[in-house]
Amino acid sequence: NAGVTQTPKFRILKIGQSMTLQCTQDMNHNYMYWYRQDPGMGLKLIYYSVGAGITDKGEVPNGYNVSRSTTEDFPLRLELAAPSQTSVYFCASRILHTIYFGEGSWLTVV
Amino acid sequence: GIQVEQSPPDLILQEGANSTLRCNFSDSVNNLQWFHQNPWGQLINLFYIPSGTKQNGRLSATTVATERYSLLYISSSQTTDSGVYFCAVDSGGSNYKLTFGKGTLLTVNP
Repeated sequence: NAGVTQTPKFRILKIGQSMTLQCTQDMNHNYMYWYRQDPGMGLKLIYYSVGAGITDKGEVPNGYNVSRSTTEDFPLRLELAAPSQTSVYFCASRILHTIYFGEGSWLTVV
Repeated sequence: GIQVEQSPPDLILQEGANSTLRCNFSDSVNNLQWFHQNPWGQLINLFYIPSGTKQNGRLSATTVATERYSLLYISSSQTTDSGVYFCAVDSGGSNYKLTFGKGTLLTVNP
């Protein structure tokens, strides 16, 4: 039982490039989330999903896209990366009141 | 949207000391959670506590929903308690679209 797995852990992108952050959970949780954390700040919700095929915007969705074709996977797509997207990204899944976070993906856009 | 304010922003303790962290929120909530982020970035659920008091070892939490605040108590602090403590709330339905505070950075010195 690996929990929530994110890849890559570290990535440097050039302005205008695109990439996908992968997130997989093996706990069969319906609810999954993507957050970003900027230095000295709390987490902000980007997108969330309540089950396969269902996604919705969070607080800061601009510049990102998601899909949820299976219960296990919830990838986050960055299109046309901008310096403002430099951040640490956390994927999470939830069962009842317990939230499980991945280890984070450190992304720098230069 | 709902506002979450945490205090103090920083706290330095000697090992063995006790501390109280506070979370104020601007509206009624259905969900309030406390998280710990260790110095390596890992996020762990501590408490789900929309009201009342809970205890887990040296940690306890109290939420007074009618007065819109929650307190996290850490007794006999240890160096492993160091990290950032986040309060997060959700005033909506069952989707857990959490709004995080900026956190309290706790440093426990040996």
